[in-house]
Amino acid sequence: QKEVEQNSGPLSVPEGAIASLNCTYSDRVSQSFFWYRQYSGKSPELIMSIYSNGDKEDGRFTAQLNKASQYVSLLIRDSQPSDSATYLCAVVSGAGSYQLTFGKGTKLSVIP
Amino acid sequence: DTAVSQTPKYLVTQMGNDKSIKCEQNLGHDTMYWYKQDSKKFLKIMFSYNNKELIINETVPNRFSPKSPDKAHLNLHINSLELGDSAVYFCASSPRLAATGELFFGEGSRLTVL
Repeated sequence: QKEVEQNSGPLSVPEGAIASLNCTYSDRVSQSFFWYRQYSGKSPELIMSIYSNGDKEDGRFTAQLNKASQYVSLLIRDSQPSDSATYLCAVVSGAGSYQLTFGKGTKLSVIP
Repeated sequence: DTAVSQTPKYLVTQMGNDKSIKCEQNLGHDTMYWYKQDSKKFLKIMFSYNNKELIINETVPNRFSPKSPDKAHLNLHINSLELGDSAVYFCASSPRLAATGELFFGEGSRLTVL
C-alpha cells in the first residue's frame, strides 16, 4: 500500500524564522509531488508542485525533492502568522497512476 | 463565481437515513473527485470521474454511490447512513486526468450522523 508520512506536529516557529516541513513516501516509482495548505475549517489549496530532484522556489516557499531518499520537504522563509495552517504532502505514483495519496498533514503555528 | 461549489455545506441526520451531496465546477475541467476527511484530518480519495467515466473507485461501502450526469457535475448519494460516515466530504476537480495532483477543492460538506 502506498503511504505518505508526515510528522503531525504541531510545529511551532517564531515569526520571521524558517519553517521546515518534511514528508517521506513509500512508492519508489512516484513521479509527482505536491504541497497543499489547509486553514482550519477550510478546504486544501495547492501551493507547490515538484516533479524532479532538487529545489523549486516560489516566493517565500521552496520545495525540495530527493527521489533516492524518497523525501520531499517544504521550506517557508520569513514565516508569518498567516502561514499557520496544516500542510499536506501529496504524491502521485508512477506512470499511469491517477491517484493522489495524501499524508496526514503537519500543523504549523507561527508565533508572533 | 465559486470555481467548485458543493451543496449543502452542512448536513445533520439520523442513522439509517439517505442523503445526497451535489458538486458543480465551472472551470471546464475534465476530472472530478470525491474525498473524505475524517476527524483526524486524514484526506482519502473515494471516487474519481473523467469525462463522466468512473476512473477510481476506492474501497468504500457500496452504500456510497457517485453519479456524474456531465463533466461539470459529480454528485454523491449515501444510503443507510452510519455513525462512521460522519466526516467532511470534499469535491475536487483537476484540468485533466494526467494532472491528478493539481486539485481545486470545493468548500466541503460536513456530514454529522447522530
